[in-house]
Amino acid sequence: DAMVIQNPRYQVTQFGKPVTLSCSQTLNHNVMYWYQQKSSQAPKLLFHYYDKDFNNEADTPDNFQSRRPNTSFCFLDIRSPGLGDAAMYLCATSRGYNEQFFGPGTRLTVL
Amino acid sequence: GEDVEQSLFLSVREGDSSVINCTYTDSSSTYLYWYKQEPGAGLQLLTYIFSNMDMKQDQRLTVLLNKKDKHLSLRIADTQTGDSAIYFCAESPPGGGYNKLIFGAGTRLAVHP
Repeated sequence: DAMVIQNPRYQVTQFGKPVTLSCSQTLNHNVMYWYQQKSSQAPKLLFHYYDKDFNNEADTPDNFQSRRPNTSFCFLDIRSPGLGDAAMYLCATSRGYNEQFFGPGTRLTVL
Repeated sequence: GEDVEQSLFLSVREGDSSVINCTYTDSSSTYLYWYKQEPGAGLQLLTYIFSNMDMKQDQRLTVLLNKKDKHLSLRIADTQTGDSAIYFCAESPPGGGYNKLIFGAGTRLAVHP
């Protein structure tokens, strides 16, 4: 089945220790998104790639970076995680700017 | 501001109808969406409505849109235990050249016997 896969599903890191979250997709969609969802809050768009073009949201902290080495994979790098970065991170994909398909998310814990 | 608002919790009896309400902010939003999130899973698009429509029905789901009041609702008929989940309302304001979704905080629907 075509899908959006996120690894790992649960990630624990230490305060200030860089961490990378992974997203892959078998849908061959050209747009990939990263959202942050804190507990009991709305998912919030961090950035997205349209093909190879990176689009950052104005209020996304510099601590968050992303890489997209090919169509199928997209990574979220958190350079120096703080306690406030503990959240569920959702990856989504779309064909053009159409319906977004979401992965199951990675829950990040910062100790 | 960009706040989509929903009530946080709804409890219904199995077999009853559920109505989940949402108010959005941008009257020029072209599309309005309802997503469902089950425990441990990603967001699943349930349905959406174009802004030029007042109502959309899809099997047990009915979406009502009141553009004047910027109010959106999702009615689930004959609610089942499998409908227990968090339901997110989202709007897609125009501009910016891309499909940015602005989500509400979600309504947790609990279905009891």
